[in-house]
Amino acid sequence: GAGVSQSPSNKVTEKGKDVELRCDPISGHTALYWYRQSLGQGLEFLIYFQGNSAPDKSGLPSDRFSAERTGGSVSTLTIQRTQQEDSAVYLCASSSGQGETQYFGPGTRLLVL
Amino acid sequence: AQSVTQLDSQVPVFEEAPVELRCNYSSSVSVYLFWYVQYPNQGLQLLLKYLSGSTLVKGINGFEAEFNKSQTSFHLRKPSVHISDTAEYFCAVKGGSNYKLTFGKGTLLTVNP
Repeated sequence: GAGVSQSPSNKVTEKGKDVELRCDPISGHTALYWYRQSLGQGLEFLIYFQGNSAPDKSGLPSDRFSAERTGGSVSTLTIQRTQQEDSAVYLCASSSGQGETQYFGPGTRLLVL
Repeated sequence: AQSVTQLDSQVPVFEEAPVELRCNYSSSVSVYLFWYVQYPNQGLQLLLKYLSGSTLVKGINGFEAEFNKSQTSFHLRKPSVHISDTAEYFCAVKGGSNYKLTFGKGTLLTVNP
């Protein structure tokens, strides 16, 4: 079956611009996660959605980062006023429930010039 | 809180040789342990996982790992590697009911002919 998909696969933007990254989880998965993979920091948790519960935003690095999940399915991660240190691979994962195995998408490679 | 240490950042081996990628973790609660593989310019693929039961876990592509609670380790092994196993390998831990994955820094396995 279809796995987690992410778009765009690559994004180049200028410092100060806003970007939106999209994640389509595996159909039927109620939990959705965003992680960031950067050279200096490795893989870091950003945010977690589970059903209709309030998301866990504890991993978001600053208030320039936000995310939403519409209709319990697709999620969008938005970075406002991008900075060069935001350059990284942004990975989305989904699972069939809290605590279940997470399956990852291919990631969006963001480069901020 | 939990943490993961992957003791080797790079492991070069020759084709058909055995390999062990080391992973140690710390956690104040019972854990679930995972190994993911990341091929160049791709997302994370689940290799294997330990949730409970037998401490020897078999995964895809001929990999296996052994959970050792007393040594807080979860080392990944393969008796004979192929060129196609060249990739980065990540050990991850999830504690108890916690849904966040905490990743190690990764080990780059390079298989040479």
